[in-house]
Amino acid sequence: QSVLTQPPSASGTPGQRITISCSGGTSNIGSLTFSWYQQFPGTAPKVLIYSNSQRPSGVPDRFSGAKSGTSASLAISGLQSEDEAQYFCAAWHDSLNGGWVFGGGTKLTVL
Amino acid sequence: EVQLVESGGTLVQPGGSLRLSCVMSGGTLSSHEMNWVRQAPGKGLEWISFIRRSGNTINYADSVRDRFAVSRDLAQNSLFLQMSSLRAEDTAVYYCVRQLWSGPGPYMDVWGKGTTVIVSS
Repeated sequence: QSVLTQPPSASGTPGQRITISCSGGTSNIGSLTFSWYQQFPGTAPKVLIYSNSQRPSGVPDRFSGAKSGTSASLAISGLQSEDEAQYFCAAWHDSLNGGWVFGGGTKLTVL
Repeated sequence: EVQLVESGGTLVQPGGSLRLSCVMSGGTLSSHEMNWVRQAPGKGLEWISFIRRSGNTINYADSVRDRFAVSRDLAQNSLFLQMSSLRAEDTAVYYCVRQLWSGPGPYMDVWGKGTTVIVSS
């Protein structure tokens, strides 16, 4: 069972705006800084959002991130068919020399 | 541009051992914090180990602690994951991942393509 909770699936139509949530719940692993990763079948994940809301160069501004308390969200506006992928949230915790926790992943389907 | 290439994944029997390698190109391994992350077939991502760039801090997930060990060969610019007492549940694609720090926290910015480990008799 993942420490971070994501919905297993999400869907939308082209042009729509969708959001994917990531909840740290009552996690006792301290203050969380979230990042988001996109993964297509058979390929490695790619970072979409870091430091809760920052986009690496090359990531379209259709992707945005936000954090509230121990939860985060990924928003995708102007949904495109090529956005159909798996999305994972992740957070770093400093306890016990540091480590990562992941959400279980959300499969996004573009209808 | 930093690139990571993993190797060493194969079919291994339960209880066996295996060493995975990760070679960094386009950068110097000693300058970076690194992770191993795995993904079981059809499942999500699972962090398994972290090593600071100094090499003096290494941490492991509970699921692999005391069975897996991370090491580096800076002359080869390579990171290793020594796995022992392998179990069926260790079957996964293993990714070598670079970690960067920005503002309030780190993120994993460069991922290798992964190497597949299958534990089965």
